[in-house]
Amino acid sequence: QKEVEQDPGPLSVPEGAIVSLNCTYSNSAFQYFMWYRQYSRKGPELLMYTYSSGNKEDGRFTAQVDKSSKYISLFIRDSQPSDSATYLCAMSSNAGNNRKLIWGLGTSLAVNP
Amino acid sequence: SQTIHQWPATLVQPVGSPLSLECTVEGTSNPNLYWYRQAAGRGLQLLFYSVGIGQISSEVPQNLSASRPQDRQFILSSKKLLLSDSGFYLCAWTPRGPGRAGYTFGSGTRLTVV
Repeated sequence: QKEVEQDPGPLSVPEGAIVSLNCTYSNSAFQYFMWYRQYSRKGPELLMYTYSSGNKEDGRFTAQVDKSSKYISLFIRDSQPSDSATYLCAMSSNAGNNRKLIWGLGTSLAVNP
Repeated sequence: SQTIHQWPATLVQPVGSPLSLECTVEGTSNPNLYWYRQAAGRGLQLLFYSVGIGQISSEVPQNLSASRPQDRQFILSSKKLLLSDSGFYLCAWTPRGPGRAGYTFGSGTRLTVV
């Protein structure tokens, strides 16, 4: 079993839809959870960063962490064609000096105008 | 503000040729530096990370090596490329010390070995 599981999609939605992206993990020591967005042929960029459980909102984006279920989600409200990208979840058990992250494989999202 | 530069953007190299990819970070000191490879269907694979000049940790045994000759410079090298070295190579940095664990990535180098 992989430490982090993420459905690769592809996920195709109409413009304006609410998008739900998810990852599950097996290591209960993970405390730091991130979502990255990666456009084609570009490096990933950090979207959301969450420590421990709970919700975090930033504009149209909401990140949720449920440590009891080992499940994290990213919600995108009022999705736009510019949101079309691959979304990667990543997590870590520490924020120490080397900060190695465990990555999901990414979910490909297409928002259709 | 901090910026990370990675070049070249694309590279086509024959099997058996050497490789040198360079990454530099500006606007910060003592960063942690990372080299990742991204291959289709395999996600992001950490190749090397460095917490200081000359300090390199290798995550995966392979045909590649890394060096950090200066505080904000990280170089990925190979003496003889293999077909399996093809992929998208990404450099990243994080601030030194505990705190936010998020990475800042460069724009990547797409390497095709032919």
